[in-house]
Amino acid sequence: AQTVTQSQPEMSVQEAETVTLSCTYDTSESDYYLFWYKQPPSRQMILVIRQEAYKQQNATENRFSVNFQKAAKSFSLKISDSQLGDAAMYFCAYRTVSNFGNEKLTFGTGTRLTIIP
Amino acid sequence: NAGVMQNPRHLVRRRGQEARLRCSPMKGHSHVYWYRQLPEEGLKFMVYLQKENIIDESGMPKERFSAEFPKEGPSILRIQQVVRGDSAAYFCASSPPLAGVYEQYFGPGTRLTVT
Repeated sequence: AQTVTQSQPEMSVQEAETVTLSCTYDTSESDYYLFWYKQPPSRQMILVIRQEAYKQQNATENRFSVNFQKAAKSFSLKISDSQLGDAAMYFCAYRTVSNFGNEKLTFGTGTRLTIIP
Repeated sequence: NAGVMQNPRHLVRRRGQEARLRCSPMKGHSHVYWYRQLPEEGLKFMVYLQKENIIDESGMPKERFSAEFPKEGPSILRIQQVVRGDSAAYFCASSPPLAGVYEQYFGPGTRLTVT
């Protein structure tokens, strides 16, 4: 079974600075998707960024980018120019394909990000 | 196009009662996933359904929990004889028929409290 590990329960960063959240995963599959989701205090799950394993180029969405190291099974999220609205729980997720053909998500335990004004 | 809708947003039940959680997927979405988030934990997959079919319930507890997605109407997650350990946030997510290439879109969740 696939596992996702986020080893940083909490992180903090000064407003306007850059922060990197770590994520590692374990899988025997060669093709899969990786995601970062943001969960603010409202608890709504918001997709931040997606990476396709067969693409070597790191995904980027405005101030958010990833460092995808497939051989090392590492998928970190970099947030540049941090803003107060970035404060949230961040979850790394792996999308697996089960024997039934569905694409259920496997989540890490999350990193709570605090932005210091 | 309205997002994924879940109701109620908050549900309080006494031990032994039944809890019914509803999820209306986005328009055009025929795949529904249910996840559970225990306090201070990540989301855990429970069940995957398509219209009128349970495809994968490998994450669902064997007893007291059931799910359905009828031809008409919302998907329902039903918890019978609730216990304190069932207190959690329950999230529903939906995706279009070609689920292999699309993200799952999450609803706002239902927070279940068992007293």
